[in-house]
Amino acid sequence: EAQVTQNPRYLITVTGKKLTVTCSQNMNHEYMSWYRQDPGLGLRQIYYSMNVEVTDKGDVPEGYKVSRKEKRNFPLILESPSPNQTSLYFCASSSPGQRQETQYFGPGTRLLVL
Amino acid sequence: AQSVTQPDIHITVSEGASLELRCNYSYGATPYLFWYVQSPGQGLQLLLKYFSGDTLVQGIKGFEAEFKRSQSSFNLRKPSVHWSDAAEYFCAVGARREYGNKLVFGAGTILRVKS
Repeated sequence: EAQVTQNPRYLITVTGKKLTVTCSQNMNHEYMSWYRQDPGLGLRQIYYSMNVEVTDKGDVPEGYKVSRKEKRNFPLILESPSPNQTSLYFCASSSPGQRQETQYFGPGTRLLVL
Repeated sequence: AQSVTQPDIHITVSEGASLELRCNYSYGATPYLFWYVQSPGQGLQLLLKYFSGDTLVQGIKGFEAEFKRSQSSFNLRKPSVHWSDAAEYFCAVGARREYGNKLVFGAGTILRVKS
């Protein structure tokens, strides 16, 4: 089954404690992105990757890091989380092929930073 | 820069009534347009998408949307709403391979269905 998986699904942490949210896709997609969802703001792109070892900032990259060492994985790293990073996070993957630009979203990770 | 406006934050309709959710976009080229739905506590589900061709697109769950270039709109419609349609709906415009096929989302419209 084609899917994007994220772990953990729910996370409560404290300010400053480093955490990683994993994302994995099994569709051999070149493109992967991280989004955060906040009430009244919709989803906003944090970082994206267009291939292995190719990553770039999205619209709201401050406080986040990513890596893309393997095609299927795209972890999101919060080195020193702060309360304003409390949000719902989605990983997405897609392909650059024509008419393939549909993003497949993971189930989401709900993060609370105390 | 791309942007999406969903003018209605909340909409309440009676079960069985028709529904139209509005979406206006700003994009320099021919857009790729999407509607997603998010049920409470759930992830995003793609309802329908427009890439090119017929401007009236059909989606899942009985939804359809019409692309109107002259109005920069992509409104979502359903002829008869069911209680299970209560959810938040997001319109999005795609960057077409730029920025990793980035999607720019509207703020969302929360649909309430009254019996």
